Amino acid sequence: DQQVKQNSPSLSVQEGRISILNCDYTNSMFDYFLWYKKYPAEGPTFLISISSIKDKNEDGRFTVFLNKSAKHLSLHIVPSQPGDSAVYFCAASASQGGSEKLVFGKGTKLTVNP
Amino acid sequence: DAMVIQNPRYQVTQFGKPVTLSCSQTLNHNVMYWYQQKSSQAPKLLFHYYDKDFNNEADTPDNFQSRRPNTSFCFLDIRSPGLGDAAMYLCATSRGFLRDTEAFFGQGTRLTVV
Repeated sequence: DQQVKQNSPSLSVQEGRISILNCDYTNSMFDYFLWYKKYPAEGPTFLISISSIKDKNEDGRFTVFLNKSAKHLSLHIVPSQPGDSAVYFCAASASQGGSEKLVFGKGTKLTVNP
Repeated sequence: DAMVIQNPRYQVTQFGKPVTLSCSQTLNHNVMYWYQQKSSQAPKLLFHYYDKDFNNEADTPDNFQSRRPNTSFCFLDIRSPGLGDAAMYLCATSRGFLRDTEAFFGQGTRLTVV
């Protein structure tokens, strides 16, 4: 049973436009959310995160929005650049004991066309 | 400079023949994770170490074992690989709580079972 869902396997946008990647979760215990970016033949790299006490976090061109009541988060990339083409994973964690673990979605492949 | 190093990048093993994947880190992080990612699926946590404290996921098969002889190294042992164990195996580290730090991933080891 997928606790973190990325329902769009792929997304294609034009350079300079906005990319919106969506993520839904089912576990109400999740209280920290992250986005990872993965290029082919590389491991995932951390992009941006948000705590459940916030509804928005911004870092340059990347903004993550969290809607707790809907159990939904989204990653906005503005403006999109060809170098942003990658697979984006949404991940969530819940504090358990002395450590935490990440639960990932299946990923969304973003293609930014020049 | 690579901070989380997985060896080998590609591993081919025979059905039923034990295989060991290795992960090393130069970050001196407390936590090390092993994830399994099958094609078009989300990375799935197998287990993690917080220092020497081993945490196994409830649905991780007994066929999978792990060792962490010191802070820098962590091994994934598959005792009797089956065809269904063919996947990308990702190692990750974090300093501690994920909301205070990010997780760093290695490039992964792609395991093929023949």
